[in-house]
Amino acid sequence: SQQGEEDPQALSIQEGENATMNCSYKTSINNLQWYRQNSGRGLVHLILIRSNEREKHSGRLRVTLDTSKKSSSLLITASRAADTASYFCATEIGGGADGLTFGKGTHLIIQP
Amino acid sequence: GAVVSQHPSWVICKSGTSVKIECRSLDFQATTMFWYRQFPKQSLMLMATSNEGSKATYEQGVEKDKFLINHASLTLSTLTVTSAHPEDSSFYICSAGLAGVGETQYFGPGTRLLVL
Repeated sequence: SQQGEEDPQALSIQEGENATMNCSYKTSINNLQWYRQNSGRGLVHLILIRSNEREKHSGRLRVTLDTSKKSSSLLITASRAADTASYFCATEIGGGADGLTFGKGTHLIIQP
Repeated sequence: GAVVSQHPSWVICKSGTSVKIECRSLDFQATTMFWYRQFPKQSLMLMATSNEGSKATYEQGVEKDKFLINHASLTLSTLTVTSAHPEDSSFYICSAGLAGVGETQYFGPGTRLLVL
């Protein structure tokens, strides 16, 4: 069953603006990960946040995790046209022995 | 490091034929490999978990006799779509986890299957 639900499903913003995507999940997790997928291509791992962490940064990316609300957010600052892609959150329940459960994804379009 | 490859990258076949997709971890040993399927404009769905030297574990609703998985070594897992039909057309992606290290999975580039 689909664990994660992202919102919005689609987001279109101007280059330079910040983009925020949210993800909610249903069960307790070991970690939550965010991936990017360009159209028809493979996945690019962006960031992993563990259940005992609340915030993580990587370059222009900022991820938060609220386990009490079972939700996470991905913020992309100073967006660029190259950030246009689909973004998925994925949760892991076990310690690496379980597959990931992906959300439905947010399609982000950055207008030049 | 931690590169996963898939072969072929795309395949077109006639209905009723079987198609084999390979997933290789190129520079590390993967005790566990995972197979996902992604239909157009949808998310990835886990199909099965493949452990080296043992039978694969399939997710609910995935037919094990239709999607044969073999994990013969620590660097290779294969997915065979038997008697493929048009509804099996999809993007198949594998991932591999580092032996002894949890959490991070490394994804292959995917295989696009089109069944005519």
